[in-house]
Amino acid sequence: GAVVSQHPSRVICKSGTSVKIECRSLDFQATTMFWYRQFPKQSLMLMATSNEGSKATYEQGVEKDKFLINHASLTLSTLTVTSAHPEDSSFYICSARDIRGGSSYNEQFFGPGTRLTVL
Amino acid sequence: GDSVTQMEGPVTLSEEAFLTINCTYTATGYPSLFWYVQYPGEGLQLLLKATKADDKGSNKGFEATYRKETTSFHLEKGSVQVSDSAVYFCALSNQAGTALIFGKGTTLSVSS
Repeated sequence: GAVVSQHPSRVICKSGTSVKIECRSLDFQATTMFWYRQFPKQSLMLMATSNEGSKATYEQGVEKDKFLINHASLTLSTLTVTSAHPEDSSFYICSARDIRGGSSYNEQFFGPGTRLTVL
Repeated sequence: GDSVTQMEGPVTLSEEAFLTINCTYTATGYPSLFWYVQYPGEGLQLLLKATKADDKGSNKGFEATYRKETTSFHLEKGSVQVSDSAVYFCALSNQAGTALIFGKGTTLSVSS
């Protein structure tokens, strides 16, 4: 089956530093990856859509200069939280859609998530 | 805009009890509907899906039927197990290539 990995799974950083989170599709290619943020006991909120070879599309209210997204290849997207602050602490989850498509439904495959804690 | 509404949790059941988690949606057109499960500390896993009206998705004893007339996609299981304890998310996709829209999630706790 389609597998998406995220690295790191957990990260603790000091306020003001930057953290990079990687999202990889391991056995398929993905032109589109999505980045979500999940607050404790709440749903997933879409942050941005990452398109291979082009700029990411950010949702309203998400600071693109703070959450830098790069989708340099068909199997890798990165999310960099710049100048992190405690309020950025959250669970970040990526998902990827298989480039082959061909399905009548729009299934996405999710990574296991990255727990970011900013001290 | 499109949205998904799930019943508030937590849902607490004894092992072998019947489970229903309600999900209704608002969307234009004919969305695809999904149920995802999230076990503690893990990411989301697709549990089941349905792509058109009257379709029934099923997996691991869970079922959900796409009801367009009531705009619902309720999740059911006849006999829950302790291992089913998790957070369940209902979601929809209204256009190929776009992100999923999630409900708030329902926490299920099953005790032996």
